[in-house]
Amino acid sequence: SQTIHQWPATLVQPVGSPLSLECTVEGTSNPNLYWYRQAAGRGLQLLFYSIGIDQISSEVPQNLSASRPQDRQFILSSKKLLLSDSGFYLCAWRGTRTDTQYFGPGTRLTVL
Amino acid sequence: QQPVQSPQAVILREGEDAVINCSSSKALYSVHWYRQKHGEAPVFLMILLKGGEQKGHEKISASFNEKKQQSSLYLTASQLSYSGTYFCGTAYSGANNLFFGTGTRLTVIP
Repeated sequence: SQTIHQWPATLVQPVGSPLSLECTVEGTSNPNLYWYRQAAGRGLQLLFYSIGIDQISSEVPQNLSASRPQDRQFILSSKKLLLSDSGFYLCAWRGTRTDTQYFGPGTRLTVL
Repeated sequence: QQPVQSPQAVILREGEDAVINCSSSKALYSVHWYRQKHGEAPVFLMILLKGGEQKGHEKISASFNEKKQQSSLYLTASQLSYSGTYFCGTAYSGANNLFFGTGTRLTVIP
């Protein structure tokens, strides 16, 4: 069966510091992968999606970037965090048979 | 392409019923329903693929009206464990993404 991991689970970072969040998927090959951000009490904002290695689409221009160095690894990065980057970051993978997305446990980021 | 969900929030007493609606301005390929508990990731509930299809999951069911381009989620005899925010995700032909509604916060009280 498929599982999706994210780490770290929580992170507190100062403004201007770099960021690296990691997402890995097990039990499937060549999945579509997604990064979402959710501000407190708000909906899901799609940040990036990837249909394959080194194939990244950006949905929202900002100071974040994404990379997919391996088939089942998706990384979200920033060189300098802003206060507005605080939120709950969710990675998701999409199955091959339907469009259903399955979410990882998330990373809660607080930028101070 | 973001679907519109209604209501934004609803409070129920245990045992009461609720309906959450998800409407699209564009022809839908499929609709996906999720529930998110506070502080946790969204959990997939069910997918509806065809117009007029209805599916069930415990006492939670959903319908998909292809003509009206909308889906409804029905929660019957609500339990405390149903509390959370419900999101619909809509898929369109040729798109790689789901478009999520803004969510409906459901609170069930004793």
